[in-house]
Amino acid sequence: DTGVSQNPRHKITKRGQNVTFRCDPISEHNRLYWYRQTLGQGPEFLTYFQNEAQLEKSRLLSDRFSAERPKGSFSTLEIQRTEQGDSAMYLCASSLLIGEKLFFGSGTQLSVL
Amino acid sequence: KNEVEQSPQNLTAQEGEFITINCSYSVGISALHWLQQHPGGGIVSLFMLSSGKKKHGRLIATINIQEKHSSLHITASHPRDSAVYICAAVTGNQFYFGTGTSLTVIP
Repeated sequence: DTGVSQNPRHKITKRGQNVTFRCDPISEHNRLYWYRQTLGQGPEFLTYFQNEAQLEKSRLLSDRFSAERPKGSFSTLEIQRTEQGDSAMYLCASSLLIGEKLFFGSGTQLSVL
Repeated sequence: KNEVEQSPQNLTAQEGEFITINCSYSVGISALHWLQQHPGGGIVSLFMLSSGKKKHGRLIATINIQEKHSSLHITASHPRDSAVYICAAVTGNQFYFGTGTSLTVIP
């Protein structure tokens, strides 16, 4: 499978716990995006990488959220001290060039109890 | 106000009907994407447009840069077209997404 892969597919956690999600983009894609989507809404931009550099971070992203993309390959999104409001689908997408066709992963559905 | 607005929010059609979904945006864009999201979250990119019109099978996407408006048309709609259709405007490094149009095609 050469698409965008996200793990885990589902994560249930207790409030206050830390969680980490992983995204493996399409191998030649140097642009990687993280989005968050809640029911009935379109995806909301969280952060964006070009290779290993995190170029932009949404104001929606509190200090509890951190993302990395070491070596410009896979990326991780960590949420510390999770809150119920963090419950959402976390989507990763990659593209070859800016503005070009986006390829999405299946997402990680986070439920914070 | 959202940078990208879609209409209608929900749409129900009979199989075979011609369907139009509209997208208006307020930001200057370099491109506009139409995406399809099926239940369960999987998102598929349908089109990327910067001008004019594109066609793929029964799907047609148009964009009018001056009017900041794009439309997605589905000809001879089929129940398998039932999904949420999302437009996304690209400006700089950012994608601004509409909230989606939920389409249900009834046999």
